[in-house]
Amino acid sequence: EVQLVESGGGLVQPGRSLKLSCAASGFTFSNYYMAWVRQAPKKGLEWVATISTSGSRTYYPDSVKGRFTISRDNAKSSLYLQMNSLKSEDTATYYCARVNNYYWYFDFWGPGTMVTVSS
Amino acid sequence: DIQMTQSPASLSASLEEIVTITCQASQDIGNWLAWYQQKPGKSPQLLIYGATSLADGVPSRFSGSRSGTQYSLKISRLQVEDPGIYYCLQGYSAPWTFGGGTKLELK
Repeated sequence: EVQLVESGGGLVQPGRSLKLSCAASGFTFSNYYMAWVRQAPKKGLEWVATISTSGSRTYYPDSVKGRFTISRDNAKSSLYLQMNSLKSEDTATYYCARVNNYYWYFDFWGPGTMVTVSS
Repeated sequence: DIQMTQSPASLSASLEEIVTITCQASQDIGNWLAWYQQKPGKSPQLLIYGATSLADGVPSRFSGSRSGTQYSLKISRLQVEDPGIYYCLQGYSAPWTFGGGTKLELK
């Protein structure tokens, strides 16, 4: 059974940093692209970052480019999101998701971890 | 960036009614379209991938179709467990983009 479990969320002040983690199990982690998707309170879904199987390629939307860094450790079946220079608009639930290799959709999602950026 | 325009933003329907939600892509995305259902406090659950393929474990009353750059999710007979928010997603090219969501309620 595929399982994704995020951790590391919490309350952080504007301008500070936070690192999220996602522990994966139930599949061969190194064979899949992985992604982060977020959802602000009462809002829709927004894609945040994607990383290739080896970690050599990363993709970001303009809203987080230069501030967020996605990475992975295939030996530990773990995905990470380093978030720097956080803003109030980064407040959201952050989901870890597996990327299907053919149609590039997100086929499995974790339960999410909440990040609140506030002074 | 590819824009996904989803409609309606909300709808109310009765049990056993047919429900249709659409997403219009701003350019050709082929079959790189997925549909999700999200219930309050939960992560999105995959319903349809490749525009028309039913995900594992999803009831057959859900179906997806495509006409050019317009994509539709149909619920053939609305059931009590179907209310929630539905989203489309294009995976054709980065940035991945979602539709704005459709809130489905029972009348």
